[in-house]
Amino acid sequence: DTEVTQTPKHLVMGMTNKKSLKCEQHMGHRAMYWYKQKAKKPPELMFVYSYEKLSINESVPSRFSPECPNSSLLNLHLHALQPEDSALYLCASSGPWRGRNEQFFGPGTRLTVL
Amino acid sequence: AQTVTQSQPEMSVQEAETVTLSCTYDTSESDYYLFWYKQPPSRQMILVIRQEAYKQQNATENRFSVNFQKAAKSFSLKISDSQLGDAAMYFCAYRTSYHSNTGNQFYFGTGTSLTVIP
Repeated sequence: DTEVTQTPKHLVMGMTNKKSLKCEQHMGHRAMYWYKQKAKKPPELMFVYSYEKLSINESVPSRFSPECPNSSLLNLHLHALQPEDSALYLCASSGPWRGRNEQFFGPGTRLTVL
Repeated sequence: AQTVTQSQPEMSVQEAETVTLSCTYDTSESDYYLFWYKQPPSRQMILVIRQEAYKQQNATENRFSVNFQKAAKSFSLKISDSQLGDAAMYFCAYRTSYHSNTGNQFYFGTGTSLTVIP
């Protein structure tokens, strides 16, 4: 199974809401990532969990907080977001897995902040 | 830090023709991995092709092939017999080896938007 799943597919939230994005993979990958992507732009790395160690892109505001309950699951907690946070949020994981070294991406969560 | 450069923001190709997308990168490492990813409009990012730096032979996947020039730090993607379904954003990506302390980080180029003309 080469699938990375993300829920929800779409999310609309107000600036005072708290919500969470979820990501799951069952390839035994030990690295999982959150990216933010604007239209026609490359993904911007937000967080990496690699062997349970968190690396943070220091430009990411504290209203985003990641959580890695286990090596298969990755959450992104959202709180007090701003309209400029509206974007596609991508989860990815990487191996190695069966000799493959690339990142596998989920379908993304389209987030709209009102 | 590694940088990946895609100098063609937009490209177009006639259906059934061949197009080449350019990618250059900057690194001081000798062992790394390179990838081309495709992202159709409002659809998932998927891998097109991968190349290990230690392999001299250029990777090929059906209509997609790469021209990997390690000394020149160049990694171009050739799409032959272009199809309407090839229309997408294409991202070049670099990954360091597992022995590097950044072995699980990927670096992306800015992307090339490919239009296929019927």
